[in-house]
Amino acid sequence: GQNIDQPTEMTATEGAIVQINCTYQTSGFNGLFWYQQHAGEAPTFLSYNVLDGLEEKGRFSSFLSRSKGYSYLLLKELQMKDSASYLCAVKDSNYQLIWGAGTKLIIKP
Amino acid sequence: DSGVTQTPKHLITATGQRVTLRCSPRSGDLSVYWYQQSLDQGLQFLIQYYNGEERAKGNILERFSAQQFPDLHSELNLSSLELGDSALYFCASSVGRVRETQYFGPGTRLLVL
Repeated sequence: GQNIDQPTEMTATEGAIVQINCTYQTSGFNGLFWYQQHAGEAPTFLSYNVLDGLEEKGRFSSFLSRSKGYSYLLLKELQMKDSASYLCAVKDSNYQLIWGAGTKLIIKP
Repeated sequence: DSGVTQTPKHLITATGQRVTLRCSPRSGDLSVYWYQQSLDQGLQFLIQYYNGEERAKGNILERFSAQQFPDLHSELNLSSLELGDSALYFCASSVGRVRETQYFGPGTRLLVL
């Protein structure tokens, strides 16, 4: 079956750095997405990786290793507004998005 | 603001009833996706339409149906509602049918009493 694993919950301190990991086993791979979702709101697109390596976008970076079936989202200089769930999703061989359950990130002052 | 609109924002109804949720995709987007998200749960993909035709089906119950109209807006019909259908229903859209990023609407919060 197809599976995406993320930690259920993480806690970090304001101003610090946090890394949210995502491992996947899917039938084929056509890209990996990260979304941010605040409670009760819509997911918003953060990043897309289809080739190995690091993609940097301001305070957020996303890394992909296709051979290891692994990605991480790195958040720097954490702010209270970064408290949210972070969703990892992979497009499989049929170009269907397979979603992880999300990681709830709690930021403490 | 993603450019995807959904109506209504909130809906309260009773068990056994039928409701219709509406979605307008971003300008230029041909694909529409419907998702269900129950409290503290992950996103469950229901169905995708591309340019008026059904493209992919996920975990959509037989009591649920959807369609995409010539103007590309989409409707999700939920019938014989049960308490367990209470959830956030999101619509997303993308330009094409395979590779592109999905952008989400604000969602419709459905409460079945």
